[in-house]
Amino acid sequence: GESVGLHLPTLSVQEGDNSIINCAYSNSASDYFIWYKQESGKGPQFIIDIRSNMDKRQGQRVTVLLNKTVKHLSLQIAATQPGDSAVYFCAENGQGTGANSKLTFGKGITLSVRP
Amino acid sequence: KAGVTQTPRYLIKTRGQQVTLSCSPISGHRSVSWYQQTPGQGLQFLFEYFSETQRNKGNFPGRFSGRQFSNSRSEMNVSTLELGDSALYLCASSPGTTHGYTFGSGTRLTVV
Repeated sequence: GESVGLHLPTLSVQEGDNSIINCAYSNSASDYFIWYKQESGKGPQFIIDIRSNMDKRQGQRVTVLLNKTVKHLSLQIAATQPGDSAVYFCAENGQGTGANSKLTFGKGITLSVRP
Repeated sequence: KAGVTQTPRYLIKTRGQQVTLSCSPISGHRSVSWYQQTPGQGLQFLFEYFSETQRNKGNFPGRFSGRQFSNSRSEMNVSTLELGDSALYLCASSPGTTHGYTFGSGTRLTVV
């Protein structure tokens, strides 16, 4: 069956360091992947997405890497700031091309930034 | 522009009752999805509506239902509430194409 999992439940990093959050997925038909950030009391906030025809995509301070061979997704955050402290989720849509009507989420990893 | 609005933010209900939650999507968005978030199960897909039609459904019992109106606003209903239905219910809207969803802040439902 399809599942999206995160390798570690928590990650603690020093302010200013780079953070790497990893995610594994099992559905080889997945063609769209998203990283979300969720702060306490709020809904998930879109960070960055990537399609399966890409290996890498960069945003502001964030980079997503996709390795389809081993079905692995990672989120890199450069120069981590205290405001980056949150729970991070990876999500995938295994629906194929067309509307992404169902997202399967990983369990979530808590990123804690030490001052 | 305004984001996804969910009402109410908090709700306390008794077992056996029913509840209706509301979601107003971003203007112009035609797709609305609902998710249940619990500490144990994480984020789980409930259903998705597009242009008033249910397009996809998750693995939840029939007590969970939803609908979408012509203005794209959506409601979900849970009947015969159980303690295990206590969760954060999140609504997300999308233009309906291959774009990521924008989530609301959710409705925190507590069943006692």
